[in-house]
Amino acid sequence: AQSVTQLGSHVSVSEGALVLLRCNYSSSVPPYLFWYVQYPNQGLQLLLKYTTGATLVKGINGFEAEFKKSETSFHLTKPSAHMSDAAEYFCAVTPGGSSGTYKYIFGTGTRLKVLA
Amino acid sequence: DAGITQSPRHKVTETGTPVTLRCHQTENHRYMYWYRQDPGHGLRLIHYSYGVKDTDKGEVSDGYSVSRSKTEDFLLTLESATSSQTSVYFCAISPKSGLSYEQYFGPGTRLTVT
Repeated sequence: AQSVTQLGSHVSVSEGALVLLRCNYSSSVPPYLFWYVQYPNQGLQLLLKYTTGATLVKGINGFEAEFKKSETSFHLTKPSAHMSDAAEYFCAVTPGGSSGTYKYIFGTGTRLKVLA
Repeated sequence: DAGITQSPRHKVTETGTPVTLRCHQTENHRYMYWYRQDPGHGLRLIHYSYGVKDTDKGEVSDGYSVSRSKTEDFLLTLESATSSQTSVYFCAISPKSGLSYEQYFGPGTRLTVT
């Protein structure tokens, strides 16, 4: 069984400060991991993904995340927050490879607020 | 942007009436999903499809049915709408092959059951 835990339903940072959004997962098979962003009244947009290869992945808008197998984590970071980063962020996991499972599991989301 | 549309975008309906939401894609992706989004719950999977006429239940499937008669269309039906089904519904698609396992989401349908 797979699960995703996002620590902190609300995170506030000052403009220009480091953004750190936490995601921990559990998976019985090698996972594929994703971060999505959702702006108000819109659908989810892919920020970045980890499937195989390099464990530090870079995404759009200056975000990056590092897959740490030993810690079962996939935390999202951005060195300097911008007002336009204010949104809700979702971590998601799906089994990698040809496991025969088609489902994705999403975390409950973290709403990021950026303070001027 | 991935070619996904949802219709209608907004709907208000009365308790007990059937409702059908449509998801249409132009990407020819094999996998299609219906989720509902509610505050504090993130996205919860209702049903998904892994090919034409091939569907399966997700974690919150009670009261919902789906059909997929063509690759491009995935319909979600609320058999008899209840107030607990007031939510925002998202369709998603995925090629789920090679290294492309990400999902692409539609703009959502806001459904209110009165």
